[in-house]
Amino acid sequence: AQKVTQAQTEISVVEKEDVTLDCVYETRDTTYYLFWYKQPPSGELVFLIRRNSFDEQNEISGRYSWNFQKSTSSFNFTITASQVVDSAVYFCALSGAPTYNTNAGKSTFGDGTTLTVKP
Amino acid sequence: SAVISQKPSRDICQRGTSLTIQCQVDSQVTMMFWYRQQPGQSLTLIATANQGSEATYESGFVIDKFPISRPNLTFSTLTVSNMSPEDSSIYLCSVPGVGTGPSDQPQHFGDGTRLSIL
Repeated sequence: AQKVTQAQTEISVVEKEDVTLDCVYETRDTTYYLFWYKQPPSGELVFLIRRNSFDEQNEISGRYSWNFQKSTSSFNFTITASQVVDSAVYFCALSGAPTYNTNAGKSTFGDGTTLTVKP
Repeated sequence: SAVISQKPSRDICQRGTSLTIQCQVDSQVTMMFWYRQQPGQSLTLIATANQGSEATYESGFVIDKFPISRPNLTFSTLTVSNMSPEDSSIYLCSVPGVGTGPSDQPQHFGDGTRLSIL
């Protein structure tokens, strides 16, 4: 079975602070995908980033960066110089790779971390 | 990327009634997924809808409560039967993405159906 744990239920920071959202996962699949979604108050899911299990290279995109550590089964997300518009619920998720995996294409979501950035 | 249309976008229903949610994809896909997001909660997979066979339900979800149809490779429906206030949720349709790059979505989601049960 797949499992994603986001231990931080809520985080509150002041604008311009850096914030890291933690994500720990469990899976028995040898090939899998990890990803982050943002869900602002308007409700839509906004895709942020995807990492494949065979690629541990960290990713930076503007103020966002992701740290994938296979050894610790973690995929943490850092927002640098946070802004009020970053306030949202952030979901970490895990899915099986297509074909040959029982979890192919299915995603397991963490419970989400509600980030509030205060001006 | 796949474009997914869900209908209705929202509805308010009476207790004990049933509602069918439609999901239309602009391309043929083997698998379609139905998720539920209860208020303030995460997304939970209800079932996988495969064309030509019965849907596969996740633990805690049963066909009598959430019957699913998959008549072809671009369309699926989810029915929420005998609704109660606990069924008030957002229901989302999803299909697998293509590509394996960091910017390629593993899944594409519809905009969801916001369901409120009185």
